[in-house]
Amino acid sequence: AQRVTQPEKLLSVFKGAPVELKCNYSYSGSPELFWYVQYSRQRLQLLLRHISRESIKGFTADLNKGETSFHLKKPFAQEEDSAMYYCALRGGSGNTGKLIFGQGTTLQVKP
Amino acid sequence: DTGVSQNPRHKITKRGQNVTFRCDPISEHNRLYWYRQTLGQGPEFLTYFQNEAQLEKSRLLSDRFSAERPKGSFSTLEIQRTEQGDSAMYLCASSLVQGGQETQYFGPGTRLLVL
Repeated sequence: AQRVTQPEKLLSVFKGAPVELKCNYSYSGSPELFWYVQYSRQRLQLLLRHISRESIKGFTADLNKGETSFHLKKPFAQEEDSAMYYCALRGGSGNTGKLIFGQGTTLQVKP
Repeated sequence: DTGVSQNPRHKITKRGQNVTFRCDPISEHNRLYWYRQTLGQGPEFLTYFQNEAQLEKSRLLSDRFSAERPKGSFSTLEIQRTEQGDSAMYLCASSLVQGGQETQYFGPGTRLLVL
């Protein structure tokens, strides 16, 4: 079964501390993984995708196929990073673009 | 605002009533998705269209749910005989598939409360 698991509902850190939001997935094929973010009172938006291998707002995520993980990391958290973060898998067969989301992790960065 | 728009933003209805939501995608986006999100959960896929063709439906989409995308532009999601379990945020997303890559842009959602 295709599944995305985010084990932490809430992650609370102090400003300047490192952040790691965990994501594990279950998928039989070659996965395409994403991190989406939702800031307070804003719509869901793409943060980054593993294919791009880029750093967005200081965040990076590496796909580890051996551990079936796609953890999101940032070395120094900022207060403006406080938001809900969703890990998502592009799943299904054929050319479908449907996304399978995890339950989400709320990141709270304290001053 | 040229992003995805959804109407209404909020809907309160009584159990057994029918409701219809509308999604206007970003112009020229050929794919349109519907997701449902309940409290404390991530969005769950319901259905999607490529142009006007409905290509996939989740088993979450019972026969009380129907979606259309006439002319491949806006889409409507109708729920007949609403139940309290239908209370959720209904999200629409659109995308343009190019070179095998695709980014889904989400609307603000329609929050449904069934009393």
